[in-house]
Amino acid sequence: DAKTTQPPSMDCAEGRAANLPCNHSTISGNEYVYWYRQIHSQGPQYIIHGLKNNETNEMASLIITEDRKSSTLILPHATLRDTAVYYCIVRTNTNAGKSTFGDGTTLTVKP
Amino acid sequence: NAGVTQTPKFQVLKTGQSMTLQCAQDMNHNSMYWYRQDPGMGLRLIYYSASEGTTDKGEVPNGYNVSRLNKREFSLRLESAAPSQTSVYFCASRSGSSSYNEQFFGPGTRLTVL
Repeated sequence: DAKTTQPPSMDCAEGRAANLPCNHSTISGNEYVYWYRQIHSQGPQYIIHGLKNNETNEMASLIITEDRKSSTLILPHATLRDTAVYYCIVRTNTNAGKSTFGDGTTLTVKP
Repeated sequence: NAGVTQTPKFQVLKTGQSMTLQCAQDMNHNSMYWYRQDPGMGLRLIYYSASEGTTDKGEVPNGYNVSRLNKREFSLRLESAAPSQTSVYFCASRSGSSSYNEQFFGPGTRLTVL
């Protein structure tokens, strides 16, 4: 799995968009970018993933640069409940198994 | 569907004691994982099982053993617990065979070794 780099912490005002960056300069052509979040001490929860096109679902949008070396997770209207640790990981979608997480970004949404 | 279940939720051990953490999934997933999370840190992969009958070491396997009992169950054993193994342990699974291949996590087991 390619290594990812994320800022350790970010703040965002409630109601504003939260933009969380991730660098993955060694990503391979068959590796996807996945985002998860972990609220308090719960198990991480899947948010979104993509290969090279931008993706959007009911939770967030994922913007992947054309060279695929970085991506941004966008929470369009952050709420206090979005305060969590956000993990960006890259891995293939084969049954190879291994899936490692880094330390993530702690996002704090402030009123 | 219960998703991924873990037992026990909490456990306190004395140094040198042994125990097994249990994990089960009912989603017919191929791959299963054990992670540990120390306070203020990210998740570190201990062991994983890409499919039934196979297991492989992750980033921090020392002091642990695993068993993929069948497709549903993946257990983690501490043979001789040490205070450094005080952590929250998460089990996860993923299908490994489709484009929607996200991991599903259990609620965690909070282990304290005195």
